[in-house]
Amino acid sequence: GQQLNQSPQSMFIQEGEDVSMNCTSSSIFNTWLWYKQDPGEGPVLLIALYKAGELTSNGRLTAQFGITRKDSFLNISASIPSDVGIYFCAGLPGGSARQLTFGSGTQLTVLP
Amino acid sequence: GAGVSQTPSNKVTEKGKYVELRCDPISGHTALYWYRQSLGQGPEFLIYFQGTGAADDSGLPNDRFFAVRPEGSVSTLKIQRTERGDSAVYLCASSLLSQETQYFGPGTRLLVL
Repeated sequence: GQQLNQSPQSMFIQEGEDVSMNCTSSSIFNTWLWYKQDPGEGPVLLIALYKAGELTSNGRLTAQFGITRKDSFLNISASIPSDVGIYFCAGLPGGSARQLTFGSGTQLTVLP
Repeated sequence: GAGVSQTPSNKVTEKGKYVELRCDPISGHTALYWYRQSLGQGPEFLIYFQGTGAADDSGLPNDRFFAVRPEGSVSTLKIQRTERGDSAVYLCASSLLSQETQYFGPGTRLLVL
């Protein structure tokens, strides 16, 4: 099935560094969601974006809904060891459609 | 409050067998979703329930897969004549009907030998 283009696929960063990841799509989405998944667990919602151009923060996390509605990015500032995990973007087309389309994930490793 | 729960957490079966996977959504959530996640990939949509009825089953891969939600709460995903390619993590999510945000359970890891 369709998946969003998410990059980078993996990142290795030093503790304290900032990190950025993004998602692009060939089609428009009306909602963008960012999730984090730890090994053996389900995805946990981090940030939800509902409006084109919207910039939303949740602690050290900041995400933006692209103006074209075809992209979104997530920034993590001052990374800490517990930020390790896989980050997924997900888009919802809107209307009556409720199925999320996910990116393939960004594996983040934080080195001490 | 309690989140989405799924049982079993792990299931090992043999090719050709029948399996049932259960999902208990967050209390009060009318919408329920099933996704399948293969290794190294993001979750892929299978089916979506509004109350007791399947509003969208376009993601079910073939007729070996079926899901029910008879009382509008707990849902069961049923897989007949399992194949090795069915091995994956099966995730359930729920939401209020008025909300776009979906909350996921821990998943059931299915291994078909």
